[in-house]
Amino acid sequence: EVPLLESGGGLVQPGGSLRLSCVASGFTFSSWAMTWVRQAPGKGLEWVSTITSGGGRATYYADAVKGRFTISRDNSENTLYLQMSSLRAEDTAVYYCARTIVKYYGDLWGLGTLVTVSS
Amino acid sequence: DIQMTQSPSSVSASVGDRVTITCRASHDISTWLAWFQQKPGKAPKLLIYSASTFQSGVPSRFSGSGSGTDFTLTINNLQPEDFATYYCQQTDSFPHTFGQGTKLEIK
Repeated sequence: EVPLLESGGGLVQPGGSLRLSCVASGFTFSSWAMTWVRQAPGKGLEWVSTITSGGGRATYYADAVKGRFTISRDNSENTLYLQMSSLRAEDTAVYYCARTIVKYYGDLWGLGTLVTVSS
Repeated sequence: DIQMTQSPSSVSASVGDRVTITCRASHDISTWLAWFQQKPGKAPKLLIYSASTFQSGVPSRFSGSGSGTDFTLTINNLQPEDFATYYCQQTDSFPHTFGQGTKLEIK
């Protein structure tokens, strides 16, 4: 059993939309803040977005995706989402979801899902 | 935004060597810093958080230190499985920026 499993990646045209999912198992999903991190081909890690646990569910975004991406969660389905719109070529990357511990350190990571934005 | 600068960008070393990687923050981040190891085609793995706290299961040859703006990751007695890329990340304030990475290669 994989604790975090991303899906929803694929090929999309510039300007298009895509929704990534990350299904959690083996831990109490609702208790943990969650984060998306991406990695463009051959490049380093880039923090994308974080959503807190609990009722407040505060959300935070990198400037590069603010206004285009929306992070959300469904605790009843143990699932984290990343809704991506107005996609650009520079959004091409492997997208990882991560569970975060104290002060948002990513201690548990998914396998990643590849998003390719190209015409 | 806080910028994180790692050095060196790459380093060559031999099994049994000691290696030190440095990460510098553009602003004081106290000890809100993590170190990750990533191997090709794999997800990052958390090694150290809060600058010097070991993640469970990480070998004791890894150690982290520093506070404020200057941090180091030291790997003693390098093992074959340690050859990978290492990243620092600050979580003091959003956006939670990563360093550009340090590739540790076999000499």
